[in-house]
Amino acid sequence: EPEVTQTPSHQVTQMGQEVILRCVPISNHLYFYWYRQILGQKVEFLVSFYNNEISEKSEIFDDQFSVERPDGSNFTLKIRSTKLEDSAMYFCASRLSGDTQYFGPGTRLTVL
Amino acid sequence: GNSVTQMEGPVTLSEEAFLTINCTYTATGYPSLFWYVQYPGEGLQLLLKATKADDKGSNKGFEATYRKETTSFHLEKGSVQVSDSAVYFCALSDNGGGGADGLTFGKGTHLIIQP
Repeated sequence: EPEVTQTPSHQVTQMGQEVILRCVPISNHLYFYWYRQILGQKVEFLVSFYNNEISEKSEIFDDQFSVERPDGSNFTLKIRSTKLEDSAMYFCASRLSGDTQYFGPGTRLTVL
Repeated sequence: GNSVTQMEGPVTLSEEAFLTINCTYTATGYPSLFWYVQYPGEGLQLLLKATKADDKGSNKGFEATYRKETTSFHLEKGSVQVSDSAVYFCALSDNGGGGADGLTFGKGTHLIIQP
C-alpha cells in the first residue's frame, strides 16, 4: 500500500541554523501539507500546497518557513534560521482529491 | 475560527471495556469530521470519518456519529483490545475536502488498554 515517507526521523540542530525536512508524498496525490506538533500540544496546520504553489498558510508559517516541490516527488519544508520554539514533530500529508489526508510518520526536530 | 476539543488523557481501561472519547467542535461552515489514530512510532492514520450531519463513520469496531445539534463526534468502541492502545485525534475539515484547507485537530487522547 502506498504511503507517505519522511526523512530524517529525527533532526538535531543548533539555534540559527537552516534545516530542510523532506517528504515523499503518495505518487499520484495532488495536495500536500505540513503540520507540526509541539510536545504535549495540538497538531497544527502550517501550509498547504497545490499546483506548485502555496494554497493556504497559517499564522505560524512566517517568512522563516518555505516549501518546495523540487522534482515532482519530494516535498520539502525549510526553516531558514531555527529557533528553540521550532522544536516539534513535523508531519507531512498528501491527498488526491477527496477529503482524506494521508500522513507520514513525522520528523522530530530538536533545536538546541 | 475553527476549533476541536477532546477529552484529556491518558485514558486507561481494561481489555474488553467500553470506550468513549469525547470530541466537540466549533466551525463556521459545515465541516467534515475525522478520527485519526497514531500508534507508537508511526504516523497519523485515518480511523473513520463523517461528512454530514447524522452520518456514522465506522472502522475496526470503532464508531462515531456526526451530531450537528450538539456539535459532537464522540468515538466509541464496545470492547477494546490491548492493540487499540494509541493516541486518538479528532479533527475537522471546514470545506469538505473541496479545496486545500488544512485540518484542525484536537490535542489528542492517549488510550492505554491493560490486559
